[in-house]
Order: sequence, then structure tokens, then C-alpha cells
Amino acid sequence: QKEVEQNSGPLSVPEGAIASLNCTYSDRGSQSFFWYRQYSGKSPELIMSIYSNGDKEDGRFTAQLNKASQYVSLLIRDSQPSDSATYLCAVKNPGGYNKLIFGAGTRLAVHP
Amino acid sequence: ETGVTQTPRHLVMGMTNKKSLKCEQHLGHNAMYWYKQSAKKPLELMFVYSLEERVENNSVPSRFSPECPNSSHLFLHLHTLQPEDSALYLCASSQDPSGSSGNTIYFGEGSWLTVV
Repeated sequence: QKEVEQNSGPLSVPEGAIASLNCTYSDRGSQSFFWYRQYSGKSPELIMSIYSNGDKEDGRFTAQLNKASQYVSLLIRDSQPSDSATYLCAVKNPGGYNKLIFGAGTRLAVHP
Repeated sequence: ETGVTQTPRHLVMGMTNKKSLKCEQHLGHNAMYWYKQSAKKPLELMFVYSLEERVENNSVPSRFSPECPNSSHLFLHLHTLQPEDSALYLCASSQDPSGSSGNTIYFGEGSWLTVV
């Protein structure tokens, strides 16, 4: 079983719609969760982090965490073509050093 | 501009060559990392340095040799690589290597490596 799983996509949504990106993880002890956005040919950039169960909102982005289900998601409201990118879910390994385990990413395509 | 600078951005090397990737962070962080990103695969952690000491080596072949002369600079020395080593190599840094919550990792722009 992969440690962090994401649907590779592509997830295609029309402009203005809500894009929902999902991620599951295998280690129940994980405490910190991150969403990175990576444009083609560019490096990942952090867009959201979440540490507690529930929702965390930042502008058009909402991260949702459910530790009991080992599930974290990212909602993008009012999707724009500029949101088209690969979204990487990352989970920090419990204990030890700051080691992030990444999923393979979900490619999002927002079409006008 | 992320505060983490990598050079060169693109590198083509033969299997018998020796080259180095360089990373510099301007964020005052204490930890630096090398990640490898291959097509269709998750980011793979290669090495972690905390306060210039290597604290993790993720079973990386010896043809990859990291060096961290100080907390701001990180190198990846490459020799006798294979074509399957062609990938994007990402350097990253963070404030606290001990892994406390809220410890964000910042990536550089990456070095695209092609081994021919």
C-alpha cells in the first residue's frame, strides 16, 4: 500500500466550478498535512497546511482533514484556468526529522 | 523567488562525467533536503541535513554524494550516473529539522538533469 495516495487525474472542471482534490494516507500517527501546487516545469509551492480535524479556509482554498478516516482534501472554489496544475498532497512522518511523504499528485485542468 | 536558489537549472551529462548541483538558501533555515522527482512518480526524499549534519540517507546509490559545508549551502555531487537518474532534483529547506508542527518546507526551482 502506498503511503500517500492520490488520484492522478486529470480532473477537469469548468471555470467557476468547485474542484475537489482528495488524498488518503496510511500512517495513523501522521499529524501534519500539506497541499502543494506544482505548475508544469516548476517547483512545488505550498498553498495550504492543516493539522487539526475539520476545515481550514484560505481565500478560495479549503483544506479538510479527517484523521479517523485518514483522509485529507482540498477544495478550490471559483476555479480559474490559472489553477490548472498538479496538486501534491504531503504528509509529515510522525516523529524523527521533518520528512514529508508525497503523493504522486493530481493534475487539475480548469477549462474556460 | 522562494529564497532557495538552485544551479544549474538544466544539466546534460554523460555517464562517465562528474558534475555537481548547488543549492543556496537565504531564509536562515537549519535544515536542507534533496528530493528527486521523476515523471509520474511521487517526490522521493534523498537526503536530509540538519545543522550541516546528514541525518537521513534514503537508500540512495553512492553515485549521488551530498555535501553540506554550512547551513546555507548544499551540494549534490554526481558521478557515473545512469540514464534512469534523469529527473528533476529539488533542493528544499526548513526552519526546524526536528519536525514540529508548522514546519514548512520551501523548495527551490529545481535542476533538470539529463543523463545521456
